[in-house]
Amino acid sequence: NAGVTQTPKFQVLKTGQSMTLQCAQDMNHEYMSWYRQDPGMGLRLIHYSVGAGITDQGEVPNGYNVSRSTTEDFPLRLLSAAPSQTSVYFCASTVQSLGGRGGELFFGEGSRLTVL
Amino acid sequence: QQQVKQSPQSLIVQKGGISIINCAYENTAFDYFPWYQQFPGKGPALLIAIRPDVSEKKEGRFTISFNKSAKQFSLHIMDSQPGDSATYFCAASEAQKLVFGQGTRLTINP
Repeated sequence: NAGVTQTPKFQVLKTGQSMTLQCAQDMNHEYMSWYRQDPGMGLRLIHYSVGAGITDQGEVPNGYNVSRSTTEDFPLRLLSAAPSQTSVYFCASTVQSLGGRGGELFFGEGSRLTVL
Repeated sequence: QQQVKQSPQSLIVQKGGISIINCAYENTAFDYFPWYQQFPGKGPALLIAIRPDVSEKKEGRFTISFNKSAKQFSLHIMDSQPGDSATYFCAASEAQKLVFGQGTRLTINP
């Protein structure tokens, strides 16, 4: 059971380039989300999805796109990378929507992105 | 603007001591308050969580204290061990969103 798998683990981009961070989970989780982690800022929610075909914005969505065509996959796209997007990105999933019942988020090991 | 404010940013505690990390929030719609633990190079993992209808929850050496009227909650680690050295994040959930505090880097000196 692999859990949440993120690829690539490391990536260097030039300003203006585009790329996709991949996230896949094999736990049949409905809810998936993307966070970025920056020193002193904690983890900030970028986008999330409560099921296939449904996505919504988090705290810092600008510059990022997502789609959810299957339950398993939730890719994060940077259309035109900027140095401000240098960060560590985490994908996370949980069984059901967070809602009021809470729910344990299972995180991947992260993707470290540097934009020059 | 950070919806959940966490302090301190870093904390050094002697082995066997008590580690205390504090968090505060403003949004009264938050209804679930977990703590996550993160080791270097890894993703965060759930440590312990509490709901606002409970004032305290204890799991082993880890305790959450929750003060609904003050909109504050804290993590206490009793008998702190070197293996507890990690970054700790408090968080709060509303609807489909889980928002995190800034994190506390905890170091336990042997």
